[in-house]
Amino acid sequence: DGGITQSPKYLFRKEGQNVTLSCEQNLNHDAMYWYRQDPGQGLRLIYYSQIVNDFQKGDIAEGYSVSREKKESFPLTVTSAQKNPTAFYLCASSPALGGGQYFGPGTRLTVT
Amino acid sequence: GENVEQHPSTLSVQEGDSAVIKCTYSDSASNYFPWYKQELGKRPQLIIDIRSNVGEKKDQRIAVTLNKTAKHFSLHITETQPEDSAVYFCAASNPGNQFYFGTGTSLTVIP
Repeated sequence: DGGITQSPKYLFRKEGQNVTLSCEQNLNHDAMYWYRQDPGQGLRLIYYSQIVNDFQKGDIAEGYSVSREKKESFPLTVTSAQKNPTAFYLCASSPALGGGQYFGPGTRLTVT
Repeated sequence: GENVEQHPSTLSVQEGDSAVIKCTYSDSASNYFPWYKQELGKRPQLIIDIRSNVGEKKDQRIAVTLNKTAKHFSLHITETQPEDSAVYFCAASNPGNQFYFGTGTSLTVIP
């Protein structure tokens, strides 16, 4: 499962603080994605990026922001505007023009 | 947009029996259908996939079938083992490389 990494594994923040989650891949994949997973639920798409310097909102983008300055990196910032940020965050990448997604190990964010 | 529905949400089988999980999709443009296995606290892992030009694919004890006309696809696990216990997600992807996931099936294999 090497090739796509997320850090940190666990993250704790106080309400009102912005926090940035890291996602790096060395698979040379063009597309990268951020999902949120809540207990007992599926994966909900936050943002995705098909190429460097371009990204699109997913179904639940409000309160989140991303950047894609390098092909290898797709950091996610959880802003104070996100009303319920406590969740398990998964980053994924996939080759262009189809192909399965490969997931990072996830970051479990707890905001109190 | 695409809507993927997955059933059942929970499934219990005796060790050695077969398990079947079914998904439907709504967008006829979807052309790639992966299945993921997620163990507790871990990342989803791709276990098998199928493209829209194929009706069935098999990999050892795991098989996936696709019916494009009816817009449904299924995961079949034969000779289940306790280590098959996990949450399984189906997904549908379109040519724009967007993925839409089902809500997951929690499979328990009883020894």
